[in-house]
Amino acid sequence: AQSVTQLGSHVSVSEGALVLLRCNYSSSVPPYLFWYVQYPNQGLQLLLKYTTGATLVKGINGFEAEFKKSETSFHLTKPSAHMSDAAEYFCAVSVKGGSQGNLIFGKGTKLSVKP
Amino acid sequence: DTGVSQDPRHKITKRGQNVTFRCDPISEHNRLYWYRQTLGQGPEFLTYFQNEAQLEKSRLLSDRFSAERPKGSFSTLEIQRTEQGDSAMYLCASSLLGQGAHNEQFFGPGTRLTVL
Repeated sequence: AQSVTQLGSHVSVSEGALVLLRCNYSSSVPPYLFWYVQYPNQGLQLLLKYTTGATLVKGINGFEAEFKKSETSFHLTKPSAHMSDAAEYFCAVSVKGGSQGNLIFGKGTKLSVKP
Repeated sequence: DTGVSQDPRHKITKRGQNVTFRCDPISEHNRLYWYRQTLGQGPEFLTYFQNEAQLEKSRLLSDRFSAERPKGSFSTLEIQRTEQGDSAMYLCASSLLGQGAHNEQFFGPGTRLTVL
């Protein structure tokens, strides 16, 4: 069965600092992995996804993530935080792998950006 | 705007009442998902449709919950005899399966339900 663990429910960084949000997954089949961002009282917006191929994935708003099979990780990074990055971030794995089925989400990491 | 839309955005109801939510997916998308998100948690899967067929239901979807997608376009989620524990954000998502698509799910803004 698939599962997702996000380490740290709350991360705080200074504006301009590196953002690192951690995600580890468990999957019995080759995973499709996603990062979503959620602003207050809004739905989820896709930041980036890993399906197959290149393990370093670039997304919107300067975010990127690297799929590391040996570590079962898909950590999200951004070199320089901006105030507008303050939001909640969710890592997700596609159930059954590939393009089938629903998503299993982690519990989320709330990112705060200090001026 | 051609994104996923949900109506209403907010619903306050009294315990025991029935409520119905609507989701309009992106027009060409053949898959439609319902998720529930409670405070401090990630979204949890409830059910999904491929076209008009309901293919999977979570054990979270009790007998009081029913979902339909009658013509393979919009969907409704009904909760009967609401309980305080039903208070949550209900999210709808749609995706295009096939033709090389990777089941990227596009989410609506959600319906926030408060049961008093």
